[in-house]
Amino acid sequence: DAMVIQNPRYQVTQFGKPVTLSCSQTLNHNVMYWYQQKSSQAPKLLFHYYDKDFNNEADTPDNFQSRRPNTSFCFLDIRSPGLGDAAMYLCATSRDTAGVLKTQYFGPGTRLLVL
Amino acid sequence: AQSVTQLGSHVSVSEGALVLLRCNYSSSVPPYLFWYVQYPNQGLQLLLKYTSAATLVKGINGFEAEFKKSETSFHLTKPSAHMSDAAEYFCAVSADTDGGSQGNLIFGKGTKLSVKP
Repeated sequence: DAMVIQNPRYQVTQFGKPVTLSCSQTLNHNVMYWYQQKSSQAPKLLFHYYDKDFNNEADTPDNFQSRRPNTSFCFLDIRSPGLGDAAMYLCATSRDTAGVLKTQYFGPGTRLLVL
Repeated sequence: AQSVTQLGSHVSVSEGALVLLRCNYSSSVPPYLFWYVQYPNQGLQLLLKYTSAATLVKGINGFEAEFKKSETSFHLTKPSAHMSDAAEYFCAVSADTDGGSQGNLIFGKGTKLSVKP
């Protein structure tokens, strides 16, 4: 089945130690998104890739970076995780084609714990 | 600018009772509207979406939602709650509806549904 895959499902890191979260998709969608979701809150968009074009939300901290080496993969890098970065990180994809509803499909998420 | 308001952060119903989760939106252009469900420690799963065709939208797991432009609402209902429906539900509106740019979603704050036996 076509899907959005996130690895790992749970990630523990130390304060200040760089960490990378992974997302892959078999949907061949051209847009990929990263969201941060803290406990009991709505998902908050961090950034998205439209094909190879990176689009950062204005309030996303510089501590968060992303890479998209090809259509299928997208990575979220947290350069120096702080305690406040502990959250669920959700990857989503959509196909942006003129006239087609841009439904986003989400992966299962990676829960990040910062010690 | 688009926005979404979900009334009630927590709704509790008995098994077999009607489920009604409220969502009101604000949009300067015809919106695309979505309901997602999130089970504990899981990602978001699309329940249903409004595409400007039929105003009554049927989704998975017996859920449906009705788009009411005059009330700017898109409430989610299910006639008979099941224990497995216990989850968090998010209403969302698409921020970009001009067909030419990314469909960034604006989420409501979510409603946690509890189902009592």
